[in-house]
Amino acid sequence: DTAVSQTPKYLVTQMGNDKSIKCEQNLGHDTMYWYKQDSKKFLKIMFSYNNKELIINETVPNRFSPKSPDKAHLNLHINSLELGDSAVYFCASSQGPQTQYFGPGTRLLVL
Amino acid sequence: AQSVTQPDIHITVSEGASLELRCNYSYGATPYLFWYVQSPGQGLQLLLKYFSGDTLVQGIKGFEAEFKRSQSSFNLRKPSVHWSDAAEYFCAVGADYGGSQGNLIFGKGTKLSVKP
Repeated sequence: DTAVSQTPKYLVTQMGNDKSIKCEQNLGHDTMYWYKQDSKKFLKIMFSYNNKELIINETVPNRFSPKSPDKAHLNLHINSLELGDSAVYFCASSQGPQTQYFGPGTRLLVL
Repeated sequence: AQSVTQPDIHITVSEGASLELRCNYSYGATPYLFWYVQSPGQGLQLLLKYFSGDTLVQGIKGFEAEFKRSQSSFNLRKPSVHWSDAAEYFCAVGADYGGSQGNLIFGKGTKLSVKP
């Protein structure tokens, strides 16, 4: 069984569209994260949720809105997609101090 | 501010040779340190971590890393590299967020190529 899963794996869409990426973890962790990896492979935190509560919200445009229906899921909704949103988005989860387990990533391409 | 520096963008080694990937961090307290590996088109896999205790930590796939507080370093080593080790390697530190550990701060990565 995959520990942290994301869907879809690939997402190609037009500018201006709204899209969602889903993340699920079956590790029983209480904290989940979204990271963005840009074209130069640089990874940066976007959001973090602990027991469905937002605890980290870095400088991310308001077009990005995370939603955590329960502690096993953290979805990312993006409104009015822009070219610069093209990246790989990674979901991760952890329990306790910092060992984060990553999903396989969602490769988003905005045309 | 906390930060992680990986000075080498790209390293090429011959198969069977030894490897050392450098990582320096900037952090006020005792850091939580990690090395992750990312194969092309894949997610990130944890190689090893340091929280406290023995400063030489062993990881998966024959990797080890040594925490040196005096040098603010956490270099990754492997005595004999295999072709399958070709990948991108990321060093990370656990960020201090409101007095507790929060997200990870990553270095920019080192791409490892392996020559036959």
